[in-house]
Amino acid sequence: TQLLEQSPQFLSIQEGENLTVYCNSSSVFSSLQWYRQEPGEGPVLLVTVVTGGEVKKLKRLTFQFGDARKDSSLHITAAQPGDTGLYLCAGGTQIGFNKFYFGSGTKLNVKP
Amino acid sequence: DAGITQSPRHKVTETGTPVTLRCHQTENHRYMYWYRQDPGHGLRLIHYSYGVKDTDKGEVSDGYSVSRSKTEDFLLTLESATSSQTSVYFCAISESSSFNYGYTFGSGTRLTVV
Repeated sequence: TQLLEQSPQFLSIQEGENLTVYCNSSSVFSSLQWYRQEPGEGPVLLVTVVTGGEVKKLKRLTFQFGDARKDSSLHITAAQPGDTGLYLCAGGTQIGFNKFYFGSGTKLNVKP
Repeated sequence: DAGITQSPRHKVTETGTPVTLRCHQTENHRYMYWYRQDPGHGLRLIHYSYGVKDTDKGEVSDGYSVSRSKTEDFLLTLESATSSQTSVYFCAISESSSFNYGYTFGSGTRLTVV
């Protein structure tokens, strides 16, 4: 059972375009994190959001946590080839020990 | 400058053989995790540790065991490898169990069971 559904699964765009990827769940999470993973490497943390409705910006990346803390989005403005990678969302719960559940990811390819 | 290293990076093994993967950290973090990554499934938690000799099961723990005898080392053992355990295995560390803290991941071990 996949707690977190990410869409789209694949996205191929030209340099300079804007894009949004989504992370949805029927479960409520205490926090939502976004990671980026490059081939042959482990995921790298980009951001953590913890408050419903929270928006965080990291240069050209904008992250939003849904009001009900069940969903999140990642918007990239003016994408660059260096943004290419697999974007993973992870929902954190504190039922018992804190654990993170990962979505299966959105594979982004930005063409020059 | 990697604070977390996994070994080996690649391994091919035969069905039925035992395999041990190692995760080593230099950050002195209390919390360590083993995940596997498979296409279409994302990262799934196998086992985790919240201190020396303190470990617990994750969502896909069948067929795996772990040990943590020192803060810096977390070992994952496949008692008798099966083809369904072909995967990329990631170790992660965290300084806190709070949901505010993210993970630092190693570079992974690609395991193929033939």
